[in-house]
Amino acid sequence: AQKITQTQPGMFVQEKEAVTLDCTYDTSDPSYGLFWYKQPSSGEMIFLIYQGSYDQQNATEGRYSLNFQKARKSANLVISASQLGDSAMYFCAMREGISSGSARQLTFGSGTQLTVLP
Amino acid sequence: KAGVTQTPRYLIKTRGQQVTLSCSPISGHRSVSWYQQTPGQGLQFLFEYFSETQRNKGNFPGRFSGRQFSNSRSEMNVSTLELGDSALYLCASSFPVSDDRGDSEYFGAGTRLSVL
Repeated sequence: AQKITQTQPGMFVQEKEAVTLDCTYDTSDPSYGLFWYKQPSSGEMIFLIYQGSYDQQNATEGRYSLNFQKARKSANLVISASQLGDSAMYFCAMREGISSGSARQLTFGSGTQLTVLP
Repeated sequence: KAGVTQTPRYLIKTRGQQVTLSCSPISGHRSVSWYQQTPGQGLQFLFEYFSETQRNKGNFPGRFSGRQFSNSRSEMNVSTLELGDSALYLCASSFPVSDDRGDSEYFGAGTRLSVL
């Protein structure tokens, strides 16, 4: 079974509008972390935002916020006031067993290609 | 503070050759992970090194190996290259702490390997 599911292969948004990228996950581990990365055409993976499974509040980083719904196992990324430079591939990822401080391994979704239209 | 540095950025090899990729983590980071990205399989975990020891390994054949040096720099080696090894290889560094809040992995720009 897929551990991370991103159901939107491609999304379009008008410049200055908000957009939500969907991510659902599957784990039986009570301690996990959820990450969003941006990958422009250059290839580098840019860290955007992190949400821990025990965090009470949704994470925010500038124009990025994470809509964390634990019971539904979803961690959607919200980008407010989209900019042309936001056009890129966006990946949701999960790391299980984070509280143990042991070996780390990210599991990625298949990504969503976001295009911001002028 | 310098980010994660991967060298070389681009590489062209032929089948049967071997290749070594290098990764210098962010200063102070002790964990280095490697990932393979292909259009068909997406992003897949290769292995993780911490304090010169491999702590975790993904489901890849033994042709894929790595090591980490005392300064945390890491190398990844692929022997007997196959056409299917053509991919973007990404390295990520992080500093494991007991409180894992916000402890993310920071990636380099990757090495794009083409096997002909």
